[in-house]
Order: sequence, then structure tokens, then C-alpha cells
Amino acid sequence: DTEVTQTPKHLVMGMTNKKSLKCEQHMGHRAMYWYKQKAKKPPELMFVYSYEKLSINESVPSRFSPECPNSSLLNLHLHALQPEDSALYLCASSPGYGYTFGSGTRLTVV
Amino acid sequence: SQQGEEDPQALSIQEGENATMNCSYKTSINNLQWYRQNSGRGLVHLILIRSNEREKHSGRLRVTLDTSKKSSSLLITASRAADTASYFCATPRGSYIPTFGRGTSLIVHP
Repeated sequence: DTEVTQTPKHLVMGMTNKKSLKCEQHMGHRAMYWYKQKAKKPPELMFVYSYEKLSINESVPSRFSPECPNSSLLNLHLHALQPEDSALYLCASSPGYGYTFGSGTRLTVV
Repeated sequence: SQQGEEDPQALSIQEGENATMNCSYKTSINNLQWYRQNSGRGLVHLILIRSNEREKHSGRLRVTLDTSKKSSSLLITASRAADTASYFCATPRGSYIPTFGRGTSLIVHP
């Protein structure tokens, strides 16, 4: 398996909802990442997990809460989001060199 | 924060023509990567070139790296309509976290 799988592909949520994004890889990669991408902009790093430990938080608001339950799974819990949080959320994994990205979750906050 | 800057921002060519896009960066790197992103989808890793390499090929792709000028180029030969996408260069922050430039939007007309 050489893929990073993200679910759901699309998500529409209200500002009072709680939802979670899921990312899964079975390549044994030691690092996993969450990126946020607005339209016509490059992906921006949000979080990095290395060996299941949070190693980088790019000053992301607390309404985004990452979780790494095991070496294959990465979640992003969402709560009380704002419309400006609408974006494509990308997950990636890496063994150290080279990165594999998932196809993303298109999130719309209404 | 972005380190790589792609040029041009947009490129429109006819099928069969070659497409060249450039990336400049600011600090020393140990590798540089190029990615493709089809509209609203995940990023696909194209090529990684290490700082001790000057040129690398993969199918119709040719990447060069000039560390003295802190620049890289991606050449797509004999372009096809399916090459229509955004192309990003990524330089590592620290030793391993990819940081993306603003991208080049390529349109290949059939």
C-alpha cells in the first residue's frame, strides 16, 4: 500500500458542529503532517507528528486539535470553526525523504 | 512561511510544446522537490533533487538545480493536455519539512 487515504473527501459543517478528519497510511512512515490550503495558494503547514508525538504546531488555533492514535493514523478534530477555515486540508506522510500526500478533504464551514 | 518562489505564476501553451517553470529560494538546502496538483486535489510528488545533483530526469520531466544561484527549473517536454495542473517547488524547512512556493499554474491547450 503506497497511499495516504483521507476521509471524508468533502465535509460541510456548521460553526457549532464538531467533526473529525481522518488520515491513514500503511507505509511505515515515521512522520505525518497536516497542511491547510486555500484556493490559489500553496499548502501551509499546520502540524507535524514524528513517531506519534506532536513535534510542530504552527500556532494553529485551538479549534483545530490533532491526534495521532497510532503510527498509521492521524486525526484532525474540528470544533467551533469559522467560515474562513473553509479550505482543502491535506495530510502527508514521509519516511524522512520524499512525501506522499493524500487527496485531501474539502471543508466548507457554513 | 514560503521559501521557494515559482516563476511564472501562470503559463499557457499548446499541446506538444515544452513548458519551463522556475523556482528560486533563499536559504541553503539539502534537497528540493517538485510537486503537481490537479485542481482541488492532493499533491503528487514528481522529483526530488539533492543539493549535490545538478540535473535529474524522470520520463518527460527534467529538473535542474543551481545551488550557487539558489534556483531550480522544471522542464516538461512534449506537453499534453493532462499536464494541466499547478506545479509547486518545495524546499525543506529544517531537515525534512517541505515548504511550498506559490506555484505555477500550467494550462496545456489541446
